[in-house]
Amino acid sequence: GAGVSQTPSNKVTEKGKYVELRCDPISGHTALYWYRQSLGQGPEFLIYFQGTGAADDSGLPNDRFFAVRPEGSVSTLKIQRTERGDSAVYLCASSLGGGKNTGELFFGEGSRLTVL
Amino acid sequence: AQTVTQSQPEMSVQEAETVTLSCTYDTSESDYYLFWYKQPPSRQMILVIRQEAYKQQNATENRFSVNFQKAAKSFSLKISDSQLGDAAMYFCAYSFTGNQFYFGTGTSLTVIP
Repeated sequence: GAGVSQTPSNKVTEKGKYVELRCDPISGHTALYWYRQSLGQGPEFLIYFQGTGAADDSGLPNDRFFAVRPEGSVSTLKIQRTERGDSAVYLCASSLGGGKNTGELFFGEGSRLTVL
Repeated sequence: AQTVTQSQPEMSVQEAETVTLSCTYDTSESDYYLFWYKQPPSRQMILVIRQEAYKQQNATENRFSVNFQKAAKSFSLKISDSQLGDAAMYFCAYSFTGNQFYFGTGTSLTVIP
């Protein structure tokens, strides 16, 4: 696609429910990133994929969070047993990747998650 | 640990005037990359300007320029001839590995007509 696409744009769920957020990166971008942005804060790193593998998942806050990228393109961020503190905008970004990335990140518009 | 600090939560500027947004960072690395990203209300973050730490010359992109002071670990953004479309949140970011980017808390810029 022309840009990074994220769905859904907005998601409201109840505490304890399971949520999936999808990211479709720019075609040809091998690197994919998930960030979380809480109100009034900057983006906080969650996980980085190079191809199909998670090269760095050190930012995932706990084992309720998991992300996959099975074919090296679309990625899904999965959150189990959601808590009110998970409410945030989840940003996805992609880049050309491959070794040291000195280039820019291309961001989607984010998925706003609200946990009631 | 790498941290990025933006000490100005909000800034305002008159249209056509110049404004400078501040950023400091902490790192023990000698070669790294610094960025300014813009986030309008649409939420989509857009790269404004990039600086490579080994380059002494300050980066410039049209009306946007940086003042990179490596020893002071300072990376400020200057916006000249401010336009209404410049109103947004501005985030300073640091990357060493190129894989993990560290962002500051942002500065909300208002442009006054």
